[in-house]
Amino acid sequence: GENVEQHPSTLSVQEGDSAVIKCTYSDSASNYFPWYKQELGKGPQLIIDIRSNVGEKKDQRIAVTLNKTAKHFSLHITETQPEDSAVYFCAAQTSYDKVIFGPGTSLSVIP
Amino acid sequence: DADVTQTPRNRITKTGKRIMLECSQTKGHDRMYWYRQDPGLGLRLIYYSFDVKDINKGEISDGYSVSRQAQAKFSLSLESAIPNQTALYFCATSDFSANYGYTFGSGTRLTVV
Repeated sequence: GENVEQHPSTLSVQEGDSAVIKCTYSDSASNYFPWYKQELGKGPQLIIDIRSNVGEKKDQRIAVTLNKTAKHFSLHITETQPEDSAVYFCAAQTSYDKVIFGPGTSLSVIP
Repeated sequence: DADVTQTPRNRITKTGKRIMLECSQTKGHDRMYWYRQDPGLGLRLIYYSFDVKDINKGEISDGYSVSRQAQAKFSLSLESAIPNQTALYFCATSDFSANYGYTFGSGTRLTVV
């Protein structure tokens, strides 16, 4: 079946460094790629997304890149801060009833 | 108040008991979803509903049922709970006319003993 792989599963960085999380999807019909941040005890929250007709999108310290040919997309966080510590999920979406999430990356930012 | 509210936040129940998890939203979204989260497995879709007359099974619907009582309310039931249904459950909403992203509730942590 269709799936989304996400790496790494855990990531520790020093405060101020950059963090990169990579995802690979299998369904070539995927056309929307959201990223969610889940803080402890809370539900996932949409932080950035990208559509298939765009190669890169940036919002302050976070950016997402998409390579449709390779079926790869990545989340980049620059100048990391302790409040960036959370679990991050990528997802590949073809329609409202077909959203596949990656298994998540636990990011720890060490002060 | 939260846009998507789930009750209860935590629940411990015994094997074989019936339990209902409730979700209500103030987003005005037409689409509602129930997901299950297990460590290392990400989020898996249980059921979804595009309006009050529409109910669809997701990836892991066995052992679960749902009811869409109104546009703003979507409940998940476990008719006879079993220990492997111990998990974190999330309700989510989306709006067809918006950006496609989901709004999630804060989750219900269910333990079946």
